[in-house]
Amino acid sequence: EAQVTQNPRYLITVTGKKLTVTCSQNMNHEYMSWYRQDPGLGLRQIYYSMNVEVTDKGDVPEGYKVSRKEKRNFPLILESPSPNQTSLYFCASSSTALGANVLTFGAGSRLTVL
Amino acid sequence: RKEVEQDPGPFNVPEGATVAFNCTYSNSASQSFFWYRQDCRKEPKLLMSVYSSGNEDGRFTAQLNRASQYISLLIRDSKLSDSATYLCVVTFSGSARQLTFGSGTQLTVLP
Repeated sequence: EAQVTQNPRYLITVTGKKLTVTCSQNMNHEYMSWYRQDPGLGLRQIYYSMNVEVTDKGDVPEGYKVSRKEKRNFPLILESPSPNQTSLYFCASSSTALGANVLTFGAGSRLTVL
Repeated sequence: RKEVEQDPGPFNVPEGATVAFNCTYSNSASQSFFWYRQDCRKEPKLLMSVYSSGNEDGRFTAQLNRASQYISLLIRDSKLSDSATYLCVVTFSGSARQLTFGSGTQLTVLP
């Protein structure tokens, strides 16, 4: 089954404790992206990657890091989480073929930073 | 001004009703338009793309008005299962990289 898999789905952590949210897709998609979703603000892009070793900032990159060492994986790293990073996070992927701009999303990771 | 604006609702309608949502966008260079559906606490999923000439998929009709910079979604004969949040999505390029999401319109269909 074609899918995007995120882990963990739920996490409660404390300020300053580094954490990584993993994202993996099995569709051979070149493009991957991370979003956060907060009430009233919609989905905001954190980072995206057009292909292996090619990453770039989205609209709200502060406090986050990413890496793209393999095509299928795109982990999101919070080096020193803070309470304002409490949010619902979605990883998504897409083909970069011309006109292919439909995203497939993972099931989401709900993060709480105390 | 937000790049993509939607009425957050909630829209509460009886089963069988017709309901319409609008979404306005600020970038006149926007090229591609979509409606995504998001069920409570779940991931967004593509509902339909919006084509310049308007398009229909069963009970759902999407339209684009470039002159006034808005897109619309019409749902006829609403079902209980249509209850969800509907996200308007716009991109000014042909790439998924520059998709901009509206904050969503919440619909509840009542029995």
